[in-house]
Amino acid sequence: GAGVSQSPSNKVTEKGKDVELRCDPISGHTALYWYRQSLGQGLEFLIYFQGNSAPDKSGLPSDRFSAERTGGSVSTLTIQRTQQEDSAVYLCASSLVWQNTEAFFGQGTRLTVV
Amino acid sequence: GQQVMQIPQYQHVQEGEDFTTYCNSSTTLSNIQWYKQRPGGHPVFLIQLVKSGEVKKQKRLTFQFGEAKKNSSLHITATQTTDVGTYFCAGMGGSQGNLIFGKGTKLSVKP
Repeated sequence: GAGVSQSPSNKVTEKGKDVELRCDPISGHTALYWYRQSLGQGLEFLIYFQGNSAPDKSGLPSDRFSAERTGGSVSTLTIQRTQQEDSAVYLCASSLVWQNTEAFFGQGTRLTVV
Repeated sequence: GQQVMQIPQYQHVQEGEDFTTYCNSSTTLSNIQWYKQRPGGHPVFLIQLVKSGEVKKQKRLTFQFGEAKKNSSLHITATQTTDVGTYFCAGMGGSQGNLIFGKGTKLSVKP
């Protein structure tokens, strides 16, 4: 596609439910990033995929969070047993290679846990 | 782990005044990138600096990368209302691929 696509754009879920957030990166981009942005705050790094290498999961806040990237393309971020503090905008970005190229962001998924 | 600090957190200026935001890393960076996020939008890439001491300009915006490749700055000359938004620096470590963002500087411009 023309840009990074994220779905859904908005998600309201009940506390304790599981959610899946999807990211379609730009075709051919080998690097994919997930970030979380709480209202008015900065970008909190969650996880990073680069090609076929093991992902860098150092930013995941708890074991309730996990992410996969199938076939080096689409990625899914899963949050299990959601809590109210998980409410935020989840942003996905991709880049052509992991060094020296810009990251293109999707529009984000706004997650609200009620 | 790698940390990127950015100051100030907020900056309110009168239109026509200058603006500067500063970024510091706890480790040496392979490159630093700057992004702008408009209210309600997503971050959009502005520029990347790679070389020690590098200075780049985009119209009224001047970007600098420190000699030690651990700090950077963005300076806007004669701000306009269209400059409103949050400016983020993002550092990439030498052997790490992840892009770590500073907390951003939110700029407001009073006409």
